[in-house]
Amino acid sequence: DAKTTQPNSMESNEEEPVHLPCNHSTISGTDYIHWYRQLPSQGPEYVIHGLTSNVNNRMASLAIAEDRKSSTLILHRATLRDAAVYYCILRHNNAGNMLTFGGGTRLMVKP
Amino acid sequence: GAGVSQTPSNKVTEKGKYVELRCDPISGHTALYWYRQSLGQGPEFLIYFQGTGAADDSGLPNDRFFAVRPEGSVSTLKIQRTERGDSAVYLCASSLFGQRGLQAQYFGPGTRLLVL
Repeated sequence: DAKTTQPNSMESNEEEPVHLPCNHSTISGTDYIHWYRQLPSQGPEYVIHGLTSNVNNRMASLAIAEDRKSSTLILHRATLRDAAVYYCILRHNNAGNMLTFGGGTRLMVKP
Repeated sequence: GAGVSQTPSNKVTEKGKYVELRCDPISGHTALYWYRQSLGQGPEFLIYFQGTGAADDSGLPNDRFFAVRPEGSVSTLKIQRTERGDSAVYLCASSLFGQRGLQAQYFGPGTRLLVL
């Protein structure tokens, strides 16, 4: 799977929106963009995924750049429970089934 | 519904001993994955099962590691002659089988292994 680049850490205030960026300049045409998050002492949790169009679900929104070389995970109102490591992962249909995790972004939420 | 469960939640063993870690996937999920996560790092893939067979074991670090899934449901990760470097959190995940780019993986809470 192609490589992704994320900031090591970000801070947010509670109840404010959070925009978590991910760069994936070598993305191929059939790579899906997945986001997972890992709360402290828990396994990773699926958040959202997309291919070309922006996506919304109950947890977050995913905004994908027109050239698909970057994407942004948007938490509309951060809560203390959203403090976690967020991983941006590319998945190609013809590659292995595993998820290839990078270092992710550690999100800290201040009350 | 019930999620992925893993037992034990913690395991302390001595160098050289044998350990088994168990994973119960979500009912109906035919795909099962094992990952290992060292402190401060993202999870690393170990092995993937589709049904009873290991479809991809390219992530197993050496022949001390072995995993089985005899009936296509519960899986056991087995580590022989444990070494201190095997200390990590071992994560299990399961998913429905289908187009790889689309299937979310659901993770268990992990087994924290400490080799003294």
